[in-house]
Amino acid sequence: EVQLVESGGGLVQPGRSLKLSCVASGFTFNNYWMTWIRQAPGKGLEWVASITNTGGSTYYPDSVKGRFTISRDNAKSTLYLQMNSLRSEDTATYYCTRTVSPYWGQGVMVTVSS
Amino acid sequence: DVVMTQTPPSLSVAIGQSVSISCKSSQSLVYSDGKTYLHWLLQSSGRSPKRLIYQVSNLDSGVPDRFSGTGSQKDFTLKISRVEAKDLGVYYCAQTTHFPLTFGSGTKLEIK
Repeated sequence: EVQLVESGGGLVQPGRSLKLSCVASGFTFNNYWMTWIRQAPGKGLEWVASITNTGGSTYYPDSVKGRFTISRDNAKSTLYLQMNSLRSEDTATYYCTRTVSPYWGQGVMVTVSS
Repeated sequence: DVVMTQTPPSLSVAIGQSVSISCKSSQSLVYSDGKTYLHWLLQSSGRSPKRLIYQVSNLDSGVPDRFSGTGSQKDFTLKISRVEAKDLGVYYCAQTTHFPLTFGSGTKLEIK
């Protein structure tokens, strides 16, 4: 059974950093691109970052480029999202996905507030 | 960026009826490999989104054939036949042809 389990969310002050993790199981992790997608409270879905299966290439929208870094450790079947210079508009539930596949994590809440 | 225009924003339907949701993209979603990476997702209340249909018309495992997807290039439709109570939630279209990946704004399906 495919499982994606996120962790690392919480309340953080504006300008501070937070690192999310997503542990994958039930599939060959290093065969797949992975993606973070977020959803602000009561809002729709927004793509945050994607990474190729080897980790050799990463992709970001302008809204997070230069502040967020996606990475992976294929030996640990773990995906990461390092979030720096956080803003109030980054407040959202963050989902780890096997890139818009049927497989999504349960989501982890990040709240940016003073 | 590819803008995904999804309509209607909400639908109220009786059990057993059929509904259609439209998704139009601002650019063609045909990738260089000839495939069209337009997908449909359902987010039930309080749950993570779940993909129902990939590449326009392919049902994911376990998705009943009451769901169907059609379309090409820039114009796509999700149809749900014989709506059941468990179908309620917010439906999103999503494109993964172009970066940045983008989503429609969602259609909330309510049961009358």
